[in-house]
Amino acid sequence: SSEVTQPPSVSVSPGQTATFTCSGDKLGASYTSWYQQKPGQSPVLVIYQSTKRPSGIPERFSGSNSGNTATLTISGTQTVDEADYYCQAWDGRNVLFGGGTKLTVL
Amino acid sequence: EVQLVESGGGLVQPGGSLRLSCAASRSTLSSYYVSWVRQAPGKGLEWVANIKQDGGEKYYVDAVKGRFAMSRDNAKNSFYLQMNSLRVEDSALYYCARITEVPGPHNDYFDTWGQGIRITVSS
Repeated sequence: SSEVTQPPSVSVSPGQTATFTCSGDKLGASYTSWYQQKPGQSPVLVIYQSTKRPSGIPERFSGSNSGNTATLTISGTQTVDEADYYCQAWDGRNVLFGGGTKLTVL
Repeated sequence: EVQLVESGGGLVQPGGSLRLSCAASRSTLSSYYVSWVRQAPGKGLEWVANIKQDGGEKYYVDAVKGRFAMSRDNAKNSFYLQMNSLRVEDSALYYCARITEVPGPHNDYFDTWGQGIRITVSS
């Protein structure tokens, strides 16, 4: 079965840029979505169609896609951004979630 | 803004059954593709099942095929997950979610999530 892979953790200092990658052989044929999940809360959509930001999501969140790798970038990371981040793609009619990346803002 | 609320969770013995419900308020679900996603304690998100608007098309992760069945009742603005032959590894927080469809393949995304309902399978 297909998979999407994310690094388990990313650490940055406040104000720095946090970069999350998501790779998989299905990403080249699929838009990628990204979800933020804070402890004890439900996931929240932060990027859809690889590059689009839902209303209410700060401009510091951006997404890009190149070949089989999708990237989520948080510019000027704030302590409130500390959370788990999941990428999501499609394999035909099946949904693929990455394993998630934990962001620590030191 | 739509709100999704799950119900029906709890503790069940291995081999038992449970039926989860997801009810929507403030907006109709009938024109949306909807889904169940689960998260085992301390683990990541795992997609479980999707159902199309008219209930005619359903898709499942391999781990639950033949044991779980998703359905919907658009008149009640609700959808369901019937879980049979439950296993310890099915223990998780189950989220219901709404999917926004975008023209073209592989463009869709989960735009709304419920708060989650806990399922524990244990003897």
